[in-house]
Amino acid sequence: DVKVTQSSRYLVKRTGEKVFLECVQDMDHENMFWYRQDPGLGLRLIYFSYDVKMKEKGDIPEGYSVSREKKERFSLILESASTNQTSMYLCASSSVRLLQETQYFGPGTRLLVL
Amino acid sequence: DAKTTQPPSMDCAEGRAANLPCNHSTISGNEYVYWYRQIHSQGPQYIIHGLKNNETNEMASLIITEDRKSSTLILPHATLRDTAVYYCIVRVYNQGGKLIFGQGTELSVKP
Repeated sequence: DVKVTQSSRYLVKRTGEKVFLECVQDMDHENMFWYRQDPGLGLRLIYFSYDVKMKEKGDIPEGYSVSREKKERFSLILESASTNQTSMYLCASSSVRLLQETQYFGPGTRLLVL
Repeated sequence: DAKTTQPPSMDCAEGRAANLPCNHSTISGNEYVYWYRQIHSQGPQYIIHGLKNNETNEMASLIITEDRKSSTLILPHATLRDTAVYYCIVRVYNQGGKLIFGQGTELSVKP
């Protein structure tokens, strides 16, 4: 089974703090994604990566950066957290070789910025 | 924008089949239909996907109409643990194949 893990299920941070969210997948997937999910807005793509050290902006990259130094790990960084970044953050991964690139999700990190 | 329309909510009795409909009248010939579900406060879980043939796996069956403008997800014997929001998605292949979730159908399985 594909396993995608995220470093924290719940996180509370203060405005202005630097926040790191980590995602690890164990299936040698090439593609990795960061989404945020907010009520009434569905999932919105923040960044994605199709290879080590490669990254592409999604629909809402402002205020975020990412890092992919190893194939299995994709980190989302909030450089200076703000209250409007309070959200559920979801990581996903997919393989370009299998199943029309079906995406598998982690359990999510619920971030509260005070 | 999501290319699918689903009813906002449905109820199903435990042990009965749950049939969740989805309309995707603007689907293109090479676009797949995917189904995910999300149990409260958890990440979305992949269920099944298809192009034009009916598909079945250990979780569910997917019936796609011949004109591909609609589909139905069938959970053959719903249990209380199937209570979740179910999302029907027409897969687009830009931005790495990002998933566009609509509002989904909130399925409540009742004893």
